[in-house]
Amino acid sequence: SYVLTQPPSVSVPPRETARITCGGNNIGSKSVHWYQQKPGQAPVLVVYDDSDRPSGIPERFSASNSGNTAILTISRVEAGDEADYYCQVWDGDSDHYVFGTGTKVTVL
Amino acid sequence: QVQLVESGGGVVQSGRSLRLSCAASGFTFGTYGMHWVRQAPGKGLEWVAVIWYDGNKNHYADSVKGRFIISRDNSKNTLYLQMNSLRSEDTGVYYCATTDGAPTFGTSRRGGSDYWGQGTLVTVSS
Repeated sequence: SYVLTQPPSVSVPPRETARITCGGNNIGSKSVHWYQQKPGQAPVLVVYDDSDRPSGIPERFSASNSGNTAILTISRVEAGDEADYYCQVWDGDSDHYVFGTGTKVTVL
Repeated sequence: QVQLVESGGGVVQSGRSLRLSCAASGFTFGTYGMHWVRQAPGKGLEWVAVIWYDGNKNHYADSVKGRFIISRDNSKNTLYLQMNSLRSEDTGVYYCATTDGAPTFGTSRRGGSDYWGQGTLVTVSS
């Protein structure tokens, strides 16, 4: 089955840039979606279709996808960005949706 | 505004059954594909099942295939998850969520779940 691998944690000072990777075999050929989840809350979609932002999501959230790695970038990180972040794809070979392992972002 | 409200969770013994419901409002439910996604305590998100907007197609995670059934009643704006032969590893919060892309009617997007419920907790005791 298709596997998406994320680093367990990323720590970043406020106002700096956080980069969260999502690795998968030839992930560049798939559409990647990113979610933010704060403790005790449902996930929130922050990027869809590799690099598009839903309405209401700040421009500080951007993403790219190429080769074997997709990247979510959070610019000018704020305390309110502390959360778990998950990537997601549809794997057409298995007819399964797949979530990444998740990355905890800590603002120092 | 869009609302998804799950219900039906609770404590159930291993091997028994439970049916979850997800009541939708504030959008045209019958045009959206829908997911069930779960999260074990302290763990990450796990996709469970998806159903197409018209109910004519669905897919399941290997961990639940043959035990869980996803269905919908578009006349009632409600999504269901029938869970049979429950195991301790099925314990967690179950979320319903919309999904864009192929399961949704007439969209140009390739995916992403814009709307989520607040989740309902299922605890399977042995």
